[in-house]
Amino acid sequence: RKEVEQDPGPFNVPEGATVAFNCTYSNSASQSFFWYRQDCRKEPKLLMSVYSSGNEDGRFTAQLNRASQYISLLIRDSKLSDSATYLCVVHPNFGNEKLTFGTGTRLTIIP
Amino acid sequence: GAGVSQSPRYKVAKRGQDVALRCDPISGHVSLFWYQQALGQGPEFLTYFQNEAQLDKSGLPSDRFFAERPEGSVSTLKIQRTQQEDSAVYLCASSLPTSGSHETQYFGPGTRLLVL
Repeated sequence: RKEVEQDPGPFNVPEGATVAFNCTYSNSASQSFFWYRQDCRKEPKLLMSVYSSGNEDGRFTAQLNRASQYISLLIRDSKLSDSATYLCVVHPNFGNEKLTFGTGTRLTIIP
Repeated sequence: GAGVSQSPRYKVAKRGQDVALRCDPISGHVSLFWYQQALGQGPEFLTYFQNEAQLDKSGLPSDRFFAERPEGSVSTLKIQRTQQEDSAVYLCASSLPTSGSHETQYFGPGTRLLVL
């Protein structure tokens, strides 16, 4: 079983729609969680951190469920510029700084 | 300010050739990471430096892969006797960590390696 699993998609969504991605992780001791965005042939960039209390940044909402080892990302009122691959990322534990990435979910917003 | 830079951006190598990939982290960033991203996959960890010390090299796929950061700044990832399965994007990231917490990792544009 992979440490971080996500549906690779692709998700093709009309502009203005709401889309949700999910991700599960296997290491229950994992400490920190993130969503990164990666545009085609570009480097990954941090989109937002994910907290148990949930956090929102404009049209983006991220949620963590530690009991189910599950992370979600919700995008409201999707825009053409949201088209990208969204990577679910886990920081396993303190003292080891490496990040563990999922395979990414590819999103295309259709005009 | 300047971000993480990597060179070369593209490298075509013949199977069996040695290659060296360079990473210039953000100035002052103590931690430096190398990741390998195969087509259609997420980045996978290769190795991690804190200053000049290589603290984790558990992700290096074979002894053909070697990384160094002799002065705690620029890092080089060397691949000896390249194989076709080494074809991937090699990403470098740096962060300004404090012990016991996670700091955002900033990624460079990557080096696309194609082994023929």
